[in-house]
Amino acid sequence: KNQVEQSPQSLIILEGKNCTLQCNYTVSPFSNLRWYKQDTGRGPVSLTIMTFSENTKSNGRYTATLDADTKQSSLHITASQLSDSASYICVVSDRGSTLGRLYFGRGTQLTVWP
Amino acid sequence: EADIYQTPRYLVIGTGKKITLECSQTMGHDKMYWYQQDPGMELHLIHYSYGVNSTEKGDLSSESTVSRIRTEHFPLTLESARPSHTSQYLCASSRNSLNTEAFFGQGTRLTVV
Repeated sequence: KNQVEQSPQSLIILEGKNCTLQCNYTVSPFSNLRWYKQDTGRGPVSLTIMTFSENTKSNGRYTATLDADTKQSSLHITASQLSDSASYICVVSDRGSTLGRLYFGRGTQLTVWP
Repeated sequence: EADIYQTPRYLVIGTGKKITLECSQTMGHDKMYWYQQDPGMELHLIHYSYGVNSTEKGDLSSESTVSRIRTEHFPLTLESARPSHTSQYLCASSRNSLNTEAFFGQGTRLTVV
Protein backbone atom coordinates (compact mmCIF):
# COMPACT_ATOMS: atom_id res chain seq x y z
CA LYS A 1 0.00 0.00 0.00
CA ASN A 2 1.38 3.41 -0.96
CA GLN A 3 1.83 5.50 2.15
CA VAL A 4 3.59 8.60 3.38
CA GLU A 5 4.39 8.89 7.10
CA GLN A 6 5.66 12.07 8.73
CA SER A 7 7.23 12.73 12.10
CA PRO A 8 6.95 14.37 14.46
CA GLN A 9 3.24 15.10 14.32
CA SER A 10 3.86 18.47 15.96
CA LEU A 11 6.89 20.48 17.01
CA ILE A 12 7.46 23.64 19.01
CA ILE A 13 10.74 25.53 18.72
CA LEU A 14 12.05 28.94 19.70
CA GLU A 15 12.64 31.62 17.13
CA GLY A 16 16.13 31.42 15.63
CA LYS A 17 16.55 27.69 16.27
CA ASN A 18 16.92 25.01 13.60
CA CYS A 19 14.71 21.98 13.19
CA THR A 20 14.39 18.88 11.03
CA LEU A 21 11.20 17.19 9.91
CA GLN A 22 11.09 13.59 8.72
CA CYS A 23 9.20 11.77 5.98
CA ASN A 24 9.15 8.04 5.21
CA TYR A 25 7.31 6.65 2.22
CA THR A 26 6.43 3.36 0.58
CA VAL A 27 5.19 4.78 -2.73
CA SER A 28 6.33 2.75 -5.71
CA PRO A 29 7.26 3.23 -8.46
CA PHE A 30 8.68 6.52 -7.25
CA SER A 31 8.62 9.65 -9.37
CA ASN A 32 9.33 12.60 -7.11
CA LEU A 33 9.02 13.92 -3.57
CA ARG A 34 7.73 17.35 -2.66
CA TRP A 35 7.59 19.40 0.49
CA TYR A 36 4.74 21.88 0.89
CA LYS A 37 4.08 24.55 3.50
CA GLN A 38 0.46 25.07 4.46
CA ASP A 39 -0.60 28.01 6.59
CA THR A 40 -3.78 27.55 8.60
CA GLY A 41 -6.85 27.88 6.40
CA ARG A 42 -4.80 28.29 3.19
CA GLY A 43 -3.73 26.10 0.32
CA PRO A 44 -0.33 24.34 0.33
CA VAL A 45 2.60 26.18 -1.24
CA SER A 46 5.47 24.26 -2.79
CA LEU A 47 8.90 24.48 -1.13
CA THR A 48 10.93 21.86 -3.01
CA ILE A 49 10.52 19.03 -5.47
CA MET A 50 13.13 16.27 -5.88
CA THR A 51 13.38 13.46 -8.38
CA PHE A 52 15.09 10.09 -7.92
CA SER A 53 18.51 11.42 -8.94
CA GLU A 54 18.52 14.37 -6.54
CA ASN A 55 19.52 13.96 -2.91
CA THR A 56 19.37 17.55 -1.72
CA LYS A 57 17.63 20.76 -2.70
CA SER A 58 17.51 24.13 -1.02
CA ASN A 59 15.02 26.98 -1.08
CA GLY A 60 16.28 29.81 1.11
CA ARG A 61 16.31 28.61 4.72
CA TYR A 62 14.67 25.32 3.73
CA THR A 63 16.85 22.35 2.74
CA ALA A 64 15.32 19.03 1.74
CA THR A 65 17.19 15.74 1.48
CA LEU A 66 16.16 12.52 -0.19
CA ASP A 67 17.48 8.99 0.24
CA ALA A 68 15.65 7.00 -2.43
CA ASP A 69 17.27 3.74 -1.26
CA THR A 70 15.84 3.94 2.26
CA LYS A 71 12.78 5.90 1.06
CA GLN A 72 13.34 8.70 3.52
CA SER A 73 13.35 12.46 3.23
CA SER A 74 13.96 15.30 5.64
CA LEU A 75 13.24 19.00 5.62
CA HIS A 76 15.68 21.16 7.57
CA ILE A 77 14.69 24.68 8.54
CA THR A 78 17.51 27.01 9.51
CA ALA A 79 17.22 30.05 11.79
CA SER A 80 13.48 29.69 12.22
CA GLN A 81 11.17 32.69 12.08
CA LEU A 82 7.70 33.26 13.49
CA SER A 83 6.32 33.09 9.94
CA ASP A 84 7.58 29.50 9.67
CA SER A 85 4.70 28.43 11.91
CA ALA A 86 2.63 26.21 9.61
CA SER A 87 1.98 22.61 8.63
CA TYR A 88 4.71 21.04 6.49
CA ILE A 89 3.44 18.33 4.21
CA CYS A 90 5.48 15.64 2.48
CA VAL A 91 3.99 14.56 -0.85
CA VAL A 92 5.22 11.68 -2.99
CA SER A 93 4.28 11.15 -6.62
CA ASP A 94 4.32 7.83 -8.41
CA ARG A 95 4.99 7.17 -12.07
CA GLY A 96 2.64 4.23 -12.34
CA SER A 97 0.05 6.19 -14.27
CA THR A 98 -0.15 9.25 -16.46
CA LEU A 99 -1.79 11.08 -13.59
CA GLY A 100 1.38 11.00 -11.47
CA ARG A 101 -0.79 10.41 -8.46
CA LEU A 102 0.14 12.39 -5.35
CA TYR A 103 0.26 10.72 -1.95
CA PHE A 104 0.05 13.12 0.98
CA GLY A 105 1.39 12.80 4.49
CA ARG A 106 -0.61 14.23 7.39
CA GLY A 107 1.94 16.95 7.92
CA THR A 108 4.07 18.17 10.80
CA GLN A 109 2.56 21.12 12.62
CA LEU A 110 5.43 23.48 13.43
CA THR A 111 5.01 26.30 15.94
CA VAL A 112 7.75 28.88 16.36
CA TRP A 113 7.66 30.84 19.61
CA PRO A 114 9.32 34.21 20.13
CA GLU B 1 2.09 33.52 -6.26
CA ALA B 2 0.12 30.85 -8.15
CA ASP B 3 -2.57 31.95 -10.60
CA ILE B 4 -5.28 29.64 -9.32
CA TYR B 5 -8.34 31.02 -7.61
CA GLN B 6 -11.14 29.56 -5.57
CA THR B 7 -14.43 31.16 -4.62
CA PRO B 8 -15.93 31.52 -2.19
CA ARG B 9 -13.26 31.33 0.54
CA TYR B 10 -15.87 30.60 3.19
CA LEU B 11 -19.43 29.30 2.85
CA VAL B 12 -22.07 28.47 5.44
CA ILE B 13 -25.24 26.93 4.03
CA GLY B 14 -28.25 24.96 5.18
CA THR B 15 -28.80 21.25 4.67
CA GLY B 16 -30.32 20.34 1.32
CA LYS B 17 -29.03 23.35 -0.57
CA LYS B 18 -27.27 23.04 -3.92
CA ILE B 19 -23.85 24.67 -4.06
CA THR B 20 -21.06 25.12 -6.59
CA LEU B 21 -17.47 25.76 -5.58
CA GLU B 22 -15.55 27.63 -8.25
CA CYS B 23 -11.95 27.04 -9.31
CA SER B 24 -10.14 28.88 -12.07
CA GLN B 25 -6.52 28.91 -13.22
CA THR B 26 -4.84 31.16 -15.75
CA MET B 27 -1.69 29.07 -16.29
CA GLY B 28 -3.10 26.95 -19.13
CA HIS B 29 -2.67 23.76 -17.11
CA ASP B 30 -4.31 20.63 -18.48
CA LYS B 31 -4.52 18.76 -15.17
CA MET B 32 -6.83 19.95 -12.41
CA TYR B 33 -7.74 18.34 -9.11
CA TRP B 34 -10.14 18.67 -6.20
CA TYR B 35 -9.02 17.61 -2.74
CA GLN B 36 -10.90 17.41 0.53
CA GLN B 37 -9.08 18.09 3.79
CA ASP B 38 -10.35 17.84 7.34
CA PRO B 39 -8.45 19.64 10.15
CA GLY B 40 -5.13 17.97 10.95
CA MET B 41 -5.63 15.34 8.29
CA GLU B 42 -4.08 14.64 4.92
CA LEU B 43 -5.54 15.76 1.62
CA HIS B 44 -7.78 13.25 -0.13
CA LEU B 45 -8.31 13.33 -3.90
CA ILE B 46 -12.03 13.45 -4.79
CA HIS B 47 -11.97 14.44 -8.49
CA TYR B 48 -9.45 15.10 -11.23
CA SER B 49 -9.33 16.03 -14.89
CA TYR B 50 -6.73 15.53 -17.63
CA GLY B 51 -8.24 18.27 -19.80
CA VAL B 52 -11.42 19.57 -21.38
CA ASN B 53 -14.31 17.08 -21.21
CA SER B 54 -12.24 14.74 -19.01
CA THR B 55 -13.35 14.07 -15.43
CA GLU B 56 -12.56 11.17 -13.12
CA LYS B 57 -13.38 10.24 -9.53
CA GLY B 58 -10.53 10.17 -7.06
CA ASP B 59 -9.69 7.97 -4.10
CA LEU B 60 -12.23 9.33 -1.66
CA SER B 61 -15.87 8.66 -2.40
CA SER B 62 -17.71 11.92 -2.79
CA GLU B 63 -21.30 12.85 -3.58
CA SER B 64 -20.06 15.88 -5.49
CA THR B 65 -19.76 16.20 -9.26
CA VAL B 66 -17.40 18.20 -11.45
CA SER B 67 -17.28 19.48 -15.00
CA ARG B 68 -14.49 20.65 -17.31
CA ILE B 69 -15.97 22.58 -20.20
CA ARG B 70 -13.07 25.04 -20.40
CA THR B 71 -9.38 24.46 -19.66
CA GLU B 72 -9.26 27.17 -17.03
CA HIS B 73 -12.42 26.29 -15.13
CA PHE B 74 -13.14 23.24 -12.91
CA PRO B 75 -16.23 23.77 -10.75
CA LEU B 76 -17.39 21.31 -8.10
CA THR B 77 -21.11 20.92 -7.35
CA LEU B 78 -23.01 19.43 -4.43
CA GLU B 79 -26.65 18.85 -5.38
CA SER B 80 -27.86 18.52 -1.80
CA ALA B 81 -25.46 19.54 0.93
CA ARG B 82 -25.33 17.66 4.23
CA PRO B 83 -23.47 18.33 7.49
CA SER B 84 -21.07 15.46 6.58
CA HIS B 85 -19.88 17.62 3.66
CA THR B 86 -18.44 20.15 6.10
CA SER B 87 -14.74 20.34 5.23
CA GLN B 88 -12.08 22.33 3.41
CA TYR B 89 -12.01 21.86 -0.36
CA LEU B 90 -8.76 22.57 -2.21
CA CYS B 91 -8.39 22.92 -5.97
CA ALA B 92 -5.04 22.37 -7.69
CA SER B 93 -3.61 22.36 -11.19
CA SER B 94 -0.45 21.22 -12.94
CA ARG B 95 1.08 20.80 -16.36
CA ASN B 96 0.72 17.48 -18.10
CA SER B 97 4.10 15.98 -17.17
CA LEU B 98 5.34 13.88 -14.26
CA ASN B 99 7.87 15.99 -12.37
CA THR B 100 5.94 19.18 -12.43
CA GLU B 101 4.75 21.30 -9.57
CA ALA B 102 1.11 21.28 -8.51
CA PHE B 103 -0.28 24.69 -7.60
CA PHE B 104 -3.04 24.97 -5.03
CA GLY B 105 -5.79 27.49 -4.57
CA GLN B 106 -6.50 29.08 -1.20
CA GLY B 107 -9.31 26.65 -0.49
CA THR B 108 -13.01 26.90 0.30
CA ARG B 109 -14.05 26.26 3.89
CA LEU B 110 -17.57 24.79 3.68
CA THR B 111 -19.85 24.48 6.68
CA VAL B 112 -23.24 22.83 6.29
CA VAL B 113 -25.64 23.46 9.15
